[in-house]
Amino acid sequence: DVKVTQSSRYLVKRTGEKVFLECVQDMDHENMFWYRQDPGLGLRLIYFSYDVKMKEKGDIPEGYSVSREKKERFSLILESASTNQTSMYLCASRGAGVAYEQYFGPGTRLTVT
Amino acid sequence: DAKTTQPPSMDCAEGRAANLPCNHSTISGNEYVYWYRQIHSQGPQYIIHGLKNNETNEMASLIITEDRKSSTLILPHATLRDTAVYYCIVIDPNFGNEKLTFGTGTRLTIIP
Repeated sequence: DVKVTQSSRYLVKRTGEKVFLECVQDMDHENMFWYRQDPGLGLRLIYFSYDVKMKEKGDIPEGYSVSREKKERFSLILESASTNQTSMYLCASRGAGVAYEQYFGPGTRLTVT
Repeated sequence: DAKTTQPPSMDCAEGRAANLPCNHSTISGNEYVYWYRQIHSQGPQYIIHGLKNNETNEMASLIITEDRKSSTLILPHATLRDTAVYYCIVIDPNFGNEKLTFGTGTRLTIIP
């Protein structure tokens, strides 16, 4: 079974702090994704990566950056956390090809105070 | 512009088959039908997908009508752990669109 793990299930940070969210997948997938999910707004893509050291902006990249130094690990960075970044953050991965089965991690619920 | 339409909620008795409908009347020839679900406070989970033919895996069956304008996800023997929001989406994998966009889905409640 594909396993996607995220470093924390719950996280509380203060405004202005730098926040790192880590995601690791164990299926040698080329593609990895970061989404945020908010009530009434659904799932929104922040960034994705289709290879090591490659990244592409999604729909809402402002205020975020990403890092993919190894194939299995994709990190989301909030350079200076703000209260409007309080959300559920979901990491996903999928293999190459036309298949669209994305496998999600359990999510990190981030609260910025 | 919603590409799929699903009932907002459904109930099903434990042990019975849960049949979740989805309308996608504007589906194009290259678009696949995908189903995901999200259990409360967890990440979405892939269930099954299909293009034209009916599909079955260890989790569910997917029945697609001949005109492809609608489909039904079948959970053959529903358990309490199947209580979740179920999302039906259509995707053209050749379009290069990487993101998943979920609508409001169907909230399925399994009744003991």
